[in-house]
Amino acid sequence: DTAVSQTPKYLVTQMGNDKSIKCEQNLGHDTMYWYKQDSKKFLKIMFSYNNKELIINETVPNRFSPKSPDKAHLNLHINSLELGDSAVYFCASSPHGGYGYTFGSGTRLTVV
Amino acid sequence: DAKTTQPPSMDCAEGRAANLPCNHSTISGNEYVYWYRQIHSQGPQYIIHGLKNNETNEMASLIITEDRKSSTLILPHATLRDTAVYYCIVRVEPGNTGKLIFGQGTTLQVKP
Repeated sequence: DTAVSQTPKYLVTQMGNDKSIKCEQNLGHDTMYWYKQDSKKFLKIMFSYNNKELIINETVPNRFSPKSPDKAHLNLHINSLELGDSAVYFCASSPHGGYGYTFGSGTRLTVV
Repeated sequence: DAKTTQPPSMDCAEGRAANLPCNHSTISGNEYVYWYRQIHSQGPQYIIHGLKNNETNEMASLIITEDRKSSTLILPHATLRDTAVYYCIVRVEPGNTGKLIFGQGTTLQVKP
C-alpha cells in the first residue's frame, strides 16, 4: 500500500494547456509539499500545506495553483503550460514540523 | 538553516563501507543533521538524522564530530542498490516551516 502516491506518473502535453497532478498520502501526516526537480537534478520546494492551510509558497508563478481538499490530498494545477515547466514534480508529506519526510515516486511532466 | 558542503561524487567498491562526508561549519545548536538519498528516477528517501550523538539504524550510521561542524554517513556494506545521490541537510527540528532545502548532494557510485 503506497504511502504517498502521485498520478499520473508521466504527463506529456502541449504548450498552453492546463494540467493537474494529484497526490494522496495515507500516513496520517499533517503537512504535504510539492517539490520540483529540473533537468539539472536540483530539488526545490514549491508549496507546503499544513492541515489544508498554505504555509509555504516559494515565489512560484501564479500559473501554479495548489489545492488541498483535506489533509490527505494535495493537488497541483498548472495553467498555460510553458516549455520551462518540464520537470519531475514530487509530492511529499511529513508530520507537523518537517521530521521524517516521505516522498512520492514523482510525476515526469514534459511540455512540447 | 545552515548550509552544507558535500563532494560532488564518490566511488565505493561493493561490499566495502561507504563513508560520505558533509561539512556544516555554520550549524546552530538547535539544528539537526539529516541524510536523504535519491535513487535514480525515484523520490528522495529518508536515511537517518541526529543532533550531536552518533546514530545508527538498519540503513546506516551517522557520525557527528564533537564540534558538530561536520558529519559522516556510513553505509557499512555498500551494495549496487546503494548507488544514488546522497543529500546532507541541516535544519531546525521542529522547523517553523517544515521545508527541506536540498543542495547538490554527493553522487555515490557503487562498483562491482
